[in-house]
Amino acid sequence: DAGITQSPRHKVTETGTPVTLRCHQTENHRYMYWYRQDPGHGLRLIHYSYGVKDTDKGEVSDGYSVSRSKTEDFLLTLESATSSQTSVYFCAIRTGRDTEAFFGQGTRLTVV
Amino acid sequence: EDQVTQSPEALRLQEGESSSLNCSYTVSGLRGLFWYRQDPGKGPEFLFTLYSAGEEKEKERLKATLTKKESFLHITAPKPEDSATYLCAVPSNSGYALNFGKGTSLLVTP
Repeated sequence: DAGITQSPRHKVTETGTPVTLRCHQTENHRYMYWYRQDPGHGLRLIHYSYGVKDTDKGEVSDGYSVSRSKTEDFLLTLESATSSQTSVYFCAIRTGRDTEAFFGQGTRLTVV
Repeated sequence: EDQVTQSPEALRLQEGESSSLNCSYTVSGLRGLFWYRQDPGKGPEFLFTLYSAGEEKEKERLKATLTKKESFLHITAPKPEDSATYLCAVPSNSGYALNFGKGTSLLVTP
């Protein structure tokens, strides 16, 4: 298994509270990604990083921010959680732009 | 705009009944097409990478093929343990983003 750890694995939070999800890799891969997965929508890209401090938006970035201060860590923050952000969040890593991605086990987030 | 479309959305097969899943894409310069399997409650698991039209990859009962506009995942004589959601993904034109189709949910019954 690729060395990817997501934390927490499960979280329940209240509407309006900030939430940070962490993705940690031991593979030293350059590219890291955050996706959300919802029934009927598949995997949708939230943000990605192509190096330390280098990030960009995906198709569903509104309400989310990211940071990458070290190669191994990629943080996803919901500044003020809403019920529409209830989802399963996956982190992924890649070595290059022509290569496959490897995924973490996911974080199930429920916003009540 | 880059787009990845998978069909059918769901497929039910009897054990031993072969079939194919489709993944069509519209990215202009293909940097690879990737197939994944996802079991409930787990992250996607990488299966195959295809780079060029005509390329084929095989693993047990699965064979992936690629043309200029689409890829097929052929499942030969499936077993119940092949039941899962199968996803395909294509990098964006820049290669930085990786875009997924919505997947095909496969159920193989005994």
